[in-house]
Amino acid sequence: DAKTTQPNSMESNEEEPVHLPCNHSTISGTDYIHWYRQLPSQGPEYVIHGLTSNVNNRMASLAIAEDRKSSTLILHRATLRDAAVYYCILNYNQGGKLIFGQGTELSVKP
Amino acid sequence: GAGVSQSPRYKVAKRGQDVALRCDPISGHVSLFWYQQALGQGPEFLTYFQNEAQLDKSGLPSDRFFAERPEGSVSTLKIQRTQQEDSAVYLCASSPRPRDPLNEQFFGPGTRLTVL
Repeated sequence: DAKTTQPNSMESNEEEPVHLPCNHSTISGTDYIHWYRQLPSQGPEYVIHGLTSNVNNRMASLAIAEDRKSSTLILHRATLRDAAVYYCILNYNQGGKLIFGQGTELSVKP
Repeated sequence: GAGVSQSPRYKVAKRGQDVALRCDPISGHVSLFWYQQALGQGPEFLTYFQNEAQLDKSGLPSDRFFAERPEGSVSTLKIQRTQQEDSAVYLCASSPRPRDPLNEQFFGPGTRLTVL
């Protein structure tokens, strides 16, 4: 299974942008890059996914390196409600199941 | 609309007891997944259903774990003769299509199982 590497934790100030990195140097050509987040005491929730091109949605943006060996989840203006564990997941050959790593715990300071 | 619900939200069991955890997926969702999340870790896959068929049970840690989805909607995860190492949050997720890597999975809040 393709693996991802993320920092264990990051800090941000409220209303500032946050860039959450993910390395996936063994990614295959058919792997999609998915991001989920898990707020305290809740189940994970989908954030965004992409293949090659950068992607934007109402929650975040996903910037994918040209060689696809890394990606960055961008929260444009962090709020206190964005404090969560963020998981970067590669998903193609897993039969639909998600393989979570340790994720990055994001804390947001007021 | 209604999301994925799970019950009970919290369960305390004595070692050796059997437990049953329920998942109500989003209506009409074909795929249903169970995950186990130990404290401080990411969720780990347990098993997958496509409608009523259990197509992947490669993540079930032992034969004490059993899951079913008899009518292709509600699912139950049963753990027999619980052990302390079974203490974890059990998460259920559903998605609208079968085994599509682009499927967004919708997670329930989880059931926190504590085995004493």
